[in-house]
Amino acid sequence: ETGVTQTPRHLVMGMTNKKSLKCEQHLGHNAMYWYKQSAKKPLELMFVYSLEERVENNSVPSRFSPECPNSSHLFLHLHTLQPEDSALYLCASSQDQLVSYEQYFGPGTRLTVT
Amino acid sequence: GNSVTQMEGPVTLSEEAFLTINCTYTATGYPSLFWYVQYPGEGLQLLLKATKADDKGSNKGFEATYRKETTSFHLEKGSVQVSDSAVYFCALSDRWGGAQKLVFGQGTRLTINP
Repeated sequence: ETGVTQTPRHLVMGMTNKKSLKCEQHLGHNAMYWYKQSAKKPLELMFVYSLEERVENNSVPSRFSPECPNSSHLFLHLHTLQPEDSALYLCASSQDQLVSYEQYFGPGTRLTVT
Repeated sequence: GNSVTQMEGPVTLSEEAFLTINCTYTATGYPSLFWYVQYPGEGLQLLLKATKADDKGSNKGFEATYRKETTSFHLEKGSVQVSDSAVYFCALSDRWGGAQKLVFGQGTRLTINP
């Protein structure tokens, strides 16, 4: 148990569906992250929120929309996904101001797009 | 930009064998270095870290030394167990758009046979 939880753990959705992934951290951290993990690219950083402000990643398609309502919660809203978006989506958190800067990861959501 | 290169996997060893997983990095400045481990069906867990040159990180029998002169952070364990079977990721700290982030290597899958 790392102090970072993710729900749901598994999700199957069609290409026309809208769904959301949820992440919650209980560590008092001030930075949160979304990663995509697939066989082709092991760990792709998608979004970073630091002090609840988003750091843009222009390479992420607009069908992925993050939301960070407070420092403990992070969402990833999904709509009109493609089959190649099937992957493990990992959430992480850290204390951004620390020099040692380690991230704590949740267990991930296994997403399958049909 | 900063980057991390790990030895290609998969790596297969017998129980009680000696393990080395090579990791080299390219970075400006003096990043912190990390090894993360991902067990099947789980998220990433921090295994060990080093924050400055010549530091040695250690945990669960694993060790890695921050070598600035060779820009390396190789992971070693003297006697591996079946339970060490997992994917291992080397990473360094970086800054991006005002926020801190981790740059990961591609991961090395390790299988230990009894």
